[in-house]
Amino acid sequence: AQSVTQLDSQVPVFEEAPVELRCNYSSSVSVYLFWYVQYPNQGLQLLLKYLSGSTLVKGINGFEAEFNKSQTSFHLRKPSVHISDTAEYFCAVSVWSNFGNEKLTFGTGTRLTIIP
Amino acid sequence: GAGVSQTPSNKVTEKGKYVELRCDPISGHTALYWYRQSLGQGPEFLIYFQGTGAADDSGLPNDRFFAVRPEGSVSTLKIQRTERGDSAMYLCASSQWGTQYNEQFFGPGTRLTVL
Repeated sequence: AQSVTQLDSQVPVFEEAPVELRCNYSSSVSVYLFWYVQYPNQGLQLLLKYLSGSTLVKGINGFEAEFNKSQTSFHLRKPSVHISDTAEYFCAVSVWSNFGNEKLTFGTGTRLTIIP
Repeated sequence: GAGVSQTPSNKVTEKGKYVELRCDPISGHTALYWYRQSLGQGPEFLIYFQGTGAADDSGLPNDRFFAVRPEGSVSTLKIQRTERGDSAMYLCASSQWGTQYNEQFFGPGTRLTVL
């Protein structure tokens, strides 16, 4: 079974400062890795994904993440945050299952609050 | 094009009542997923449909929960004898299906409150 740990439940950051949201995962098989963002009263939106290849992946809204297999981490970064980045961020993993699907296993989320 | 839609957006019910939550996937998406997100938690997988059949229902918490997708498009999540612990956001997602990765697109969710 897979699991995802997001150690930081809340992260306050000043506007235009850099931010890193941490994610660690556990799996006995190769996984796909994702970051989703959830704005208030909205569904989940995919920020970026790692499937294979380059360990540094770039996503929407200026976010990027780096896959580190030895540390089983997939931390999310942004060099300069904006007020509009205030949201809940979820790290997730998936594997190809015997049922032919790729159900996602999510972390508990990190609430990013941007301080003007 | 239209995304995944879910109705109702909010549902308030009393303990012991029966509820139905509806999901309209993106047209042409054969795979459909239901997730449940409790307050302060990440979404948790409930059930997966490939076409009309429930291919993986390993996430359903107990037999009070049931889901159908009779024509391979719209899906309904049914909860019998609701309990206060069923209060959560219920999310639906759909994707194309194939042997390679297919992105899951999420709907806005239905917030269920059991009084």
